[in-house]
Amino acid sequence: SAVISQKPSRDICQRGTSLTIQCQVDSQVTMMFWYRQQPGQSLTLIATANQGSEATYESGFVIDKFPISRPNLTFSTLTVSNMSPEDSSIYLCSVRTGVDKNIQYFGAGTRLSVL
Amino acid sequence: AQRVTQPEKLLSVFKGAPVELKCNYSYSGSPELFWYVQYSRQRLQLLLRHISRESIKGFTADLNKGETSFHLKKPFAQEEDSAMYYCALSGPQTGANNLFFGTGTRLTVIP
Repeated sequence: SAVISQKPSRDICQRGTSLTIQCQVDSQVTMMFWYRQQPGQSLTLIATANQGSEATYESGFVIDKFPISRPNLTFSTLTVSNMSPEDSSIYLCSVRTGVDKNIQYFGAGTRLSVL
Repeated sequence: AQRVTQPEKLLSVFKGAPVELKCNYSYSGSPELFWYVQYSRQRLQLLLRHISRESIKGFTADLNKGETSFHLKKPFAQEEDSAMYYCALSGPQTGANNLFFGTGTRLTVIP
């Protein structure tokens, strides 16, 4: 298994500002994932963060809006840029690790509210 | 395109009653199916997956390829089963590393 620490756990931000969310894992992992869960909706993958290369973004998500860093095998950040109220969501960090690479582990999430 | 449908947003059952959380999927090929659970104030975690064919916390789920379903069942619900349950699938068409989630069902077990 993996222990994932995500911070902040929640924040309230003003429109037009940016917030950086941090994700720390207790073991080295090749791939880290960032999900968004909008109110009443399911989890949607934003991007896959690979160490040593650019993040891979899913359709509908762009690097300018959601820049991601992955400086090493245990850490990643997701920035939500130029926020608007539509960005109010829970943002989740996730990893696959261990023998069975098909099992994903999730952080506790960051609850973001944009005023 | 892939799709995971959980028709019930909310489901309430009495303690000791059987419970079934429905999940239907649409996918061209052979996906892997999962159930994830989120208890109150806890993070999302894997409950079970179809290839394991296990019973976890009394829950089972059988993949029915003919009906494209992966319903989660438990014969006798317990209060501690109250949680949010998500059905998810993974496969080549979801992207090599993507879990595709349903919208979730909130299960409440009434004492």
